[in-house]
Amino acid sequence: KAGVTQTPRYLIKTRGQQVTLSCSPISGHRSVSWYQQTPGQGLQFLFEYFSETQRNKGNFPGRFSGRQFSNSRSEMNVSTLELGDSALYLCASSTGTGVNEKLFFGSGTQLSVL
Amino acid sequence: SQKIEQNSEALNIQEGKTATLTCNYTNYSPAYLQWYRQDPGRGPVFLLLIRENEKEKRKERLKVTFDTTLKQSLFHITASQPADSATYLCALVPSAGNNRKLIWGLGTSLAVNP
Repeated sequence: KAGVTQTPRYLIKTRGQQVTLSCSPISGHRSVSWYQQTPGQGLQFLFEYFSETQRNKGNFPGRFSGRQFSNSRSEMNVSTLELGDSALYLCASSTGTGVNEKLFFGSGTQLSVL
Repeated sequence: SQKIEQNSEALNIQEGKTATLTCNYTNYSPAYLQWYRQDPGRGPVFLLLIRENEKEKRKERLKVTFDTTLKQSLFHITASQPADSATYLCALVPSAGNNRKLIWGLGTSLAVNP
């Protein structure tokens, strides 16, 4: 089974721009979660999508948004980028049907905002 | 406030010894706790899950304990190898509410020296 695929691997943007990140989950997985990882804050939950619907949301501003397509692929968008948005963005997939499921992570997109 | 804490200092041990990593939490009553391994530039990889009613879980050279009285989980790697060098993350799901979103510690870096 192919793993979770995230593209692009690296991104450099400037303040004020917007960015779209993509995540393809493991085949058969219907849940995709997005996390932001920084050295000081660790992994911070952004949101979770299940069957094209946002099921859970973290405490991030509205500049962070996402969506999920019918094939379970997900995209995350960040508008009006700020320097503090520089981070590793990780997506994780799971079947989405259990409470105590393990997550399968992609390698992440390293975003640098200049 | 609610917190989940792991040893912030890196752990250096000699090959063949047992590594013990700590995860402490406050003001949570977690339904379960998970441990992940993360290598530089990669996403976390699931290792073990332990439920609130379980005291101990084992998988090959790995062992996790869960003490809900002490609000602590210990993660052990026996007969450690240089290939075990990585950052180890603990994550929990709070029991309260509709919470599928994991709360993460910052991780402990482990270096196993040959």
